[in-house]
Amino acid sequence: SQQGEEDPQALSIQEGENATMNCSYKTSINNLQWYRQNSGRGLVHLILIRSNEREKHSGRLRVTLDTSKKSSSLLITASRAADTASYFCATAILTQGGSEKLVFGKGTKLTVNP
Amino acid sequence: SQTIHQWPATLVQPVGSPLSLECTVEGTSNPNLYWYRQAAGRGLQLLFYSVGIGQISSEVPQNLSASRPQDRQFILSSKKLLLSDSGFYLCAWSVQNSYEQYFGPGTRLTVT
Repeated sequence: SQQGEEDPQALSIQEGENATMNCSYKTSINNLQWYRQNSGRGLVHLILIRSNEREKHSGRLRVTLDTSKKSSSLLITASRAADTASYFCATAILTQGGSEKLVFGKGTKLTVNP
Repeated sequence: SQTIHQWPATLVQPVGSPLSLECTVEGTSNPNLYWYRQAAGRGLQLLFYSVGIGQISSEVPQNLSASRPQDRQFILSSKKLLLSDSGFYLCAWSVQNSYEQYFGPGTRLTVT
């Protein structure tokens, strides 16, 4: 099963509203990342939050991390039509070879209506 | 600045035909390189990753293979494509010992 699971799977809001997406994971982590993917394009790194951080801001983005609940949330404030995209959380897990790899959730598809 | 290229952007191939997708990174040295596949409406599945020339780790057994002939070149191959190989293939790179990954534009593969 997926290490990270986003919720909801799809979200539709009006421009100007806030959008909140959640991510739950199963194992202990060093950090958690959020990525954005426009339709048919590659992923773009948005923000990384470390396990010893509870909240982090970047522009209109606010990420929280609750390691006791193994969950994170991504809040986009004052949404714009250009924010329409899929958003993925990713956590790093150890491979058998001892290096780390990212495991992505299935994503939340956000639609911001003008 | 660093850039990552993938080609081709789209590809339609018949079942049983070979495959070669190429990914190159510019502006950095000794990156970690990754191949992912994304099925329609799904998350990313890690296929291969490489920490150096000639070093390939496979995550999912299948009829695909990867090679890293040069420091900043990563190739995904198949000898005989299956219908189930259709999908969106993404290459990514990261700095050694860094968690952030940077993705290429992707290749849309349709096997008919």
